[in-house]
Amino acid sequence: GAVVSQHPSWVICKSGTSVKIECRSLDFQATTMFWYRQFPKQSLMLMATSNEGSKATYEQGVEKDKFLINHASLTLSTLTVTSAHPEDSSFYICSARSISETNEKLFFGSGTQLSVL
Amino acid sequence: LAKTTQPISMDSYEGQEVNITCSHNNIATNDYITWYQQFPSQGPRFIIQGYKTKVTNEVASLFIPADRKSSTLSLPRVSLSDTAVYYCLVENYGGSQGNLIFGKGTKLSVKP
Repeated sequence: GAVVSQHPSWVICKSGTSVKIECRSLDFQATTMFWYRQFPKQSLMLMATSNEGSKATYEQGVEKDKFLINHASLTLSTLTVTSAHPEDSSFYICSARSISETNEKLFFGSGTQLSVL
Repeated sequence: LAKTTQPISMDSYEGQEVNITCSHNNIATNDYITWYQQFPSQGPRFIIQGYKTKVTNEVASLFIPADRKSSTLSLPRVSLSDTAVYYCLVENYGGSQGNLIFGKGTKLSVKP
């Protein structure tokens, strides 16, 4: 089946630094990718929809200048957490939509645990 | 956007069949239903997808009544490794906006 690779799996950074997370669709082209964040024992919260070649669409309450999303190719989307602070510590998950002749499926990366000190 | 409602948690024992029901009262004609499984510190994993009636694959069955306002994920003979959170998602078939909103999910605990 389709595979979505997300890197890094975990990252620890100092407050004020920026962190980039990559999401790649390995064996299919993804015109649309999605970024979620998840706090402990909570559900996934959609942050933004990333469309190849255009600006991302952010959900209400998500700061677009803080969470920069770039979807420059059909297989790669990146999320950059700028000037990270401890409250940004969370589990970030990307997903990509795979479209075939018969259906559409959403495949998820393995997630990135971000800890901001 | 169709909102989903599931039980917060369920308990079961090894070898039992587990049925998790999800309500999606305002599902649209172009929407289809997908179930995902998530283990701690991992991304969700696709389990099964359907539009109506019954769908079965190697790990689960999905029952969808005619009005499509609910769906039931059936896990036959669960094992300890099936302990996870299960999410049902209503996705727009062919939709470009792709706002995929997760509900709270059902935390399934399988006991020996």
